[in-house]
Amino acid sequence: KAGVTQTPRYLIKTRGQQVTLSCSPISGHRSVSWYQQTPGQGLQFLFEYFSETQRNKGNFPGRFSGRQFSNSRSEMNVSTLELGDSALYLCASSRRQGGSYEQYFGPGTRLTVT
Amino acid sequence: AQRVTQPEKLLSVFKGAPVELKCNYSYSGSPELFWYVQYSRQRLQLLLRHISRESIKGFTADLNKGETSFHLKKPFAQEEDSAMYYCALSSNFGNEKLTFGTGTRLTIIP
Repeated sequence: KAGVTQTPRYLIKTRGQQVTLSCSPISGHRSVSWYQQTPGQGLQFLFEYFSETQRNKGNFPGRFSGRQFSNSRSEMNVSTLELGDSALYLCASSRRQGGSYEQYFGPGTRLTVT
Repeated sequence: AQRVTQPEKLLSVFKGAPVELKCNYSYSGSPELFWYVQYSRQRLQLLLRHISRESIKGFTADLNKGETSFHLKKPFAQEEDSAMYYCALSSNFGNEKLTFGTGTRLTIIP
């Protein structure tokens, strides 16, 4: 089956602009999580959506937001971009089975803020 | 607060030698522990999880609640094991937020 896809793969934005990233989960997966990966901070959890509801949220400012659609596709938005927002943004989808789950990661969107 | 510590940023091991990647965690409840691996130019993927008690590609990891550790081991390293390894924790069942360690880059020396 098709894996998690993320668009766009690369993005260059200017400080102060806003950006929207998209994630399409594996078919049948209802949970979508977003992570930010940077050399300095590593992998940090942004938020998780399940059935169009935000179920978990990490410690990021309100400039970072997301949503999930009825087909489980998800978007994350970053407003008023700062230089420090430059990172690889990973999306992961999962489905619980037998008391456990596995998160399948997408290839990521590389965001560069100049 | 939950935390995952991987003390080694870099680890080099000769081919055929045993491998141990260390992972310690801090969490007061019953965590679910995972090892993820990222090979060069590939996406992050699950290697194994403690609940399955499985061996994948010769790797095993045992959850030691007394020492709050989940070290990854392989008796005989292979060149294709060279990759970035991340230990991750999920706070409780039903919560799919992963807290990752900073990762260990494993290099297998031929």
